Amino acid sequence: NAGVTQTPKFRVLKTGQSMTLLCAQDMNHEYMYWYRQDPGMGLRLIHYSVGEGTTAKGEVPDGYNVSRLKKQNFLLGLESAAPSQTSVYFCASSSGDWDEQFFGPGTRLTVL
Amino acid sequence: GESVGLHLPTLSVQEGDNSIINCAYSNSASDYFIWYKQESGKGPQFIIDIRSNMDKRQGQRVTVLLNKTVKHLSLQIAATQPGDSAVYFCAEMRGNKLVFGAGTILRVKS
Repeated sequence: NAGVTQTPKFRVLKTGQSMTLLCAQDMNHEYMYWYRQDPGMGLRLIHYSVGEGTTAKGEVPDGYNVSRLKKQNFLLGLESAAPSQTSVYFCASSSGDWDEQFFGPGTRLTVL
Repeated sequence: GESVGLHLPTLSVQEGDNSIINCAYSNSASDYFIWYKQESGKGPQFIIDIRSNMDKRQGQRVTVLLNKTVKHLSLQIAATQPGDSAVYFCAEMRGNKLVFGAGTILRVKS
């Protein structure tokens, strides 16, 4: 099993550009999450999904959109990137609310 | 690796000593807590969890203590090894979402 994978690993964008980060998991997990991690801070939840076709807002959803068209994939989109979105993005998946979350290796995004 | 440790509290321990990493949480209604370890350039990795109906839980070389009276959580690592060097995060479950603390850097001196 690959676990949780994320693509790309690194990306540099200019302000106003758009992009999509892809998260994939092969553990048949129902729940998937997108977090961002900034220097000196813990992870903050952007959006999450409790099943295929469902999404919900987390703590810091503004400027991001998500889609969960397939159970194994969770996409995070930035429609118009801003320098404030420079961060490391982590995807995670779990079987349920109170189950262990498995994290991907992260995507480092820089917005110039 | 990613520079996620800027301005975080740092604990330096000698190899072989025990480490204690502390965490304060704010929501007295939180009833599930988890410790994660994050090595440079990697995603967080689950270490151990504890539910609010327990005061202590032990794993392999790790122990988590929960003091609900003062809303304090600690992670004890026995016989700390160089491979334990990482950033450690506590997280609390609020509703159905995990809320992470800022983290503590653990440096192990050989």
